Amino acid sequence: AQKVTQAQTEISVVEKEDVTLDCVYETRDTTYYLFWYKQPPSGELVFLIRRNSFDEQNEISGRYSWNFQKSTSSFNFTITASQVVDSAVYFCALSEDISNFGNEKLTFGTGTRLTIIP
Amino acid sequence: DTAVSQTPKYLVTQMGNDKSIKCEQNLGHDTMYWYKQDSKKFLKIMFSYNNKELIINETVPNRFSPKSPDKAHLNLHINSLELGDSAVYFCASSQDLTTDRIIGNTIYFGEGSWLTVV
Repeated sequence: AQKVTQAQTEISVVEKEDVTLDCVYETRDTTYYLFWYKQPPSGELVFLIRRNSFDEQNEISGRYSWNFQKSTSSFNFTITASQVVDSAVYFCALSEDISNFGNEKLTFGTGTRLTIIP
Repeated sequence: DTAVSQTPKYLVTQMGNDKSIKCEQNLGHDTMYWYKQDSKKFLKIMFSYNNKELIINETVPNRFSPKSPDKAHLNLHINSLELGDSAVYFCASSQDLTTDRIIGNTIYFGEGSWLTVV
């Protein structure tokens, strides 16, 4: 069965500090996708990144970066120079193997609540 | 333009009532989903539809009945509402890939519908 673990329930850092959110996953699939979503206080779910299991290159997008390590089944998310607007709940998610159209479903972690202190 | 839109955003209703949440996507996607987020922020898939056909039905009580009149709409009807149905319901959509079905699709979420049963 698929499983995503976000061991950090809550993190607080002072503005401008760097912060890393951990994500560890379990799957028997050889092909899978990993995602990060942001849920700000307003409640919507905002897509941040998708990474497939064949691509272990790290990715950087502005202040955000992601480290995918297949050997440790981890997909960690780092925010550099954090800002108050980064305060949100962040979810890591894993998609199951797709055999049919519409059969894709995300297994979410329990989320990490990140608070940036001004 | 909102890509995935849900109505209503907030709904307060009494136990035993029947209510519907509507969802529309203007992304031209083929697959739509309903996810439920409980009070502990845990997100779990309920249903998925591909081109109006039910694909995923995750052990959801029969009181929940999704309806997809066309591939741009997926409504959720709930009969005989119970206190435990109080949650945030997210509609989502994704595009089928016509090549390389092993690649996962990005799932885009609506803003959520806050249902409170009293």
